[in-house]
Amino acid sequence: AQKITQTQPGMFVQEKEAVTLDCTYDTSDQSYGLFWYKQPSSGEMIFLIYQGSYDEQNATEGRYSLNFQKARKSANLVISASQLGDSAMYFCAMREGMFSGGYNKLIFGAGTRLAVHP
Amino acid sequence: NAGVTQTPKFRILKIGQSMTLQCTQDMNHNYMYWYRQDPGMGLKLIYYSVGAGITDKGEVPNGYNVSRSTTEDFPLRLELAAPSQTSVYFCASSPRQGAEFFGPGTRLTVL
Repeated sequence: AQKITQTQPGMFVQEKEAVTLDCTYDTSDQSYGLFWYKQPSSGEMIFLIYQGSYDEQNATEGRYSLNFQKARKSANLVISASQLGDSAMYFCAMREGMFSGGYNKLIFGAGTRLAVHP
Repeated sequence: NAGVTQTPKFRILKIGQSMTLQCTQDMNHNYMYWYRQDPGMGLKLIYYSVGAGITDKGEVPNGYNVSRSTTEDFPLRLELAAPSQTSVYFCASSPRQGAEFFGPGTRLTVL
């Protein structure tokens, strides 16, 4: 079974509008972390936002917020007031066992390609 | 802080050649990683390290070797390059199991 599912291969949004990128995850761990990364056409991977499984408030970083619904196991990324520079591939990722002593790898979803139109 | 730096940015190798991809981080992170990303695909973990002197295999370690003699450096060695190793290689580091911060990547072509 997929641990991280991003069901939207591609999304379009008009500049200045908000957009939600979906991410659902599957884990039986109680302590885990959820991450979003942006990969523009230039290729670099840029960390955007983090949500811990024990965090009660939704994470926010500037125009990015994470809509965390623990019972539904979803961690959707919301980008407010889209800009042309937001056009990129967006990856959702999860790390299980965040507070255990060992190492647990970051598990990536397949990504969603966002295109922002003027 | 420069963050995570990688050299070279681009490289073309002939089949059977060897090379080392360099990675350095200046954030004093204990954890470092090497990933590859094939065209249109996600990231696959090659090797990782939880501290100087400690390395372990990821999902796709065959054909690669790593070493971690210092906290800052985590070079990736390709021995006997094959066309299947044509990919973009990313080095990353993190503070224990926090968010991973990626380098700019090395685009490698094996012909």
